[in-house]
Amino acid sequence: EAGVAQSPRYKIIEKRQSVAFWCNPISGHATLYWYQQILGQGPKLLIQFQNNGVVDDSQLPKDRFSAERLKGVDSTLKIQPAKLEDSAVYLCASSLGPTGNTEAFFGQGTRLTVV
Amino acid sequence: TQLLEQSPQFLSIQEGENLTVYCNSSSVFSSLQWYRQEPGEGPVLLVTVVTGGEVKKLKRLTFQFGDARKDSSLHITAAQPGDTGLYLCAGSGGSNYKLTFGKGTLLTVNP
Repeated sequence: EAGVAQSPRYKIIEKRQSVAFWCNPISGHATLYWYQQILGQGPKLLIQFQNNGVVDDSQLPKDRFSAERLKGVDSTLKIQPAKLEDSAVYLCASSLGPTGNTEAFFGQGTRLTVV
Repeated sequence: TQLLEQSPQFLSIQEGENLTVYCNSSSVFSSLQWYRQEPGEGPVLLVTVVTGGEVKKLKRLTFQFGDARKDSSLHITAAQPGDTGLYLCAGSGGSNYKLTFGKGTLLTVNP
């Protein structure tokens, strides 16, 4: 079974530039998560999709971050404009759905450096 | 907002020692999961506990879910260098089964 695919693995941009990350979840997984992980800390949920609908985006900085999951499959996360504090690893995860057991499978992440 | 507190934040021990990592919250969770993350990789699920008071064993790892489903512990017996990594607990709850992570315990096992 193919895992969660993310690209790119690494990205270096200057502040105020824009960047986009892509995620392809495990086939059949209805729930998709985007997390931000600062070095040495636990992942912070940015947005959670159920199929193509947003179920939680309470911690997404909506003035600069946006995400979409068209057709309920793959997803993109965009930052525009980027700030220095956005430097982090962006993790995408997927799970089967709200069955009560939300085992999440993670991609390798995209390491973003804003200079 | 459901918060998960993990302790200790850092732990450095010698090979062969035992250790316990704690995960505490004031919220009740439908289930609680433990993940292990290695540098440059995403977290990988170790176990899911669902029932209050539940104990699960995975080789040298023992996981316990508190009776009130608000806390959990991970005990490692005879730690090995291969156990080194960031251990994360994550709670699932609410109508959307939001998955919330603690800040993690960074474990280093020295040979």
